[in-house]
Amino acid sequence: EVQLLESGGGLVQPGGSLRLSCAASGFTFSNFVMDWVRQAPGKGLEWVSAVSSGGGSTYYADSVKGRFTISRDNSRTTLYLQMNSLRAEDTAMYYCAKSDRGAFDVWGQGTMVTVSS
Amino acid sequence: EIVLTQSPGTLSLSPGERATLSCRASQSVIGSYLAWYQQKPGQAPRLLIYGASSRATGIPDRFSGSGSGTDFTLTISRLEPEDFAVYYCQQYGSSSWTFGQGTKVEIK
Repeated sequence: EVQLLESGGGLVQPGGSLRLSCAASGFTFSNFVMDWVRQAPGKGLEWVSAVSSGGGSTYYADSVKGRFTISRDNSRTTLYLQMNSLRAEDTAMYYCAKSDRGAFDVWGQGTMVTVSS
Repeated sequence: EIVLTQSPGTLSLSPGERATLSCRASQSVIGSYLAWYQQKPGQAPRLLIYGASSRATGIPDRFSGSGSGTDFTLTISRLEPEDFAVYYCQQYGSSSWTFGQGTKVEIK
């Protein structure tokens, strides 16, 4: 069964850091672009970041550029999102997603990040 | 960055009726890299349509997508009770992905 399982969310103070993980199984992880997508409470979906299949190319939304870093470990079939200098507006459910032909065909269940003092 | 605008914001329909959702892009979407998702409360989004008109695995044929360039449409031919949800369009181009703001399909 194809599965993505996020972890690492929680409550963090403004200016703090958090690292999210996404464990993948059931498909050849190293063949696919992987992404992070977030959703603030009661709001729509926002693409956050993507990483190429080999990890050599990374892409970011302007809202997180310079603060977030995406990476992957293909030997561990795990995707990561290092989030620094967190702001209240980063509060959201963070989903990892598998990308195929530009669409997100597999999603995890999400991990909640709350930035508050 | 390509901006996607969905309309209407809310669609109030009865089971059995036809739903037509619109997604307009601020620039032409490259290669018809346009997808549609369904999201129900408390759940992750689910891919319905990719490449503007191809149904994802396991999606019923009452869901169809069409369009190209800057104008795209998701049609649900006959609404089933489980189809009442929020729908998002999404595009990929120039190493950037963007979503529309969503259309809520609610029971009339």
